[in-house]
Amino acid sequence: SQQGEEDPQALSIQEGENATMNCSYKTSINNLQWYRQNSGRGLVHLILIRSNEREKHSGRLRVTLDTSKKSSSLLITASRAADTASYFCATDAGITGGGNKLTFGTGTQLKVEL
Amino acid sequence: DTEVTQTPKHLVMGMTNKKSLKCEQHMGHRAMYWYKQKAKKPPELMFVYSYEKLSINESVPSRFSPECPNSSLLNLHLHALQPEDSALYLCASSQDRSGLFRQYFGPGTRLTVT
Repeated sequence: SQQGEEDPQALSIQEGENATMNCSYKTSINNLQWYRQNSGRGLVHLILIRSNEREKHSGRLRVTLDTSKKSSSLLITASRAADTASYFCATDAGITGGGNKLTFGTGTQLKVEL
Repeated sequence: DTEVTQTPKHLVMGMTNKKSLKCEQHMGHRAMYWYKQKAKKPPELMFVYSYEKLSINESVPSRFSPECPNSSLLNLHLHALQPEDSALYLCASSQDRSGLFRQYFGPGTRLTVT
């Protein structure tokens, strides 16, 4: 399986704290993406970092990528109860013939308590 | 319009039934995807269509039959399913270039096979 691993599997924090999730993967990538999924719903794209980038910011999100270690991290600052969701990293190796093949990590379930 | 729609939201079918899942997007995307997601697991890619042609079949059993009638529509025809096929089926779309593009996900169809 090319599936990546994420840790922790579950994370519970208080509102206002920061949350950090880590992702490790196995193959060469074009880019790495992070998605959020609220319970039983579709996935929402959060951020994309290219293989030649080391860090990227978007609002309260900060993503890092270390291709030498095949790892990435997602930091959510000043968390809110609405951030409660599952978070997945997804590696994009690209495919010939069009489209992009995403391989999702195992996911981190984040719970933000009031 | 940045939305991917899926119908139905829920589907219960017997093992001898034939049913279809539908997915639609009007973002001009030329790549569309079907994923299967079991509870507390990451999405797993099933099929990729690029310019209305099947470009990836991830060794999916023939009881699942995809169809892309035009660039906006994607169907998944179901026949003689097994109870273990019960899952959330997610459709997604993206611009048709390998790498660098996010995928837009629909809310999913929750399928129960009895």
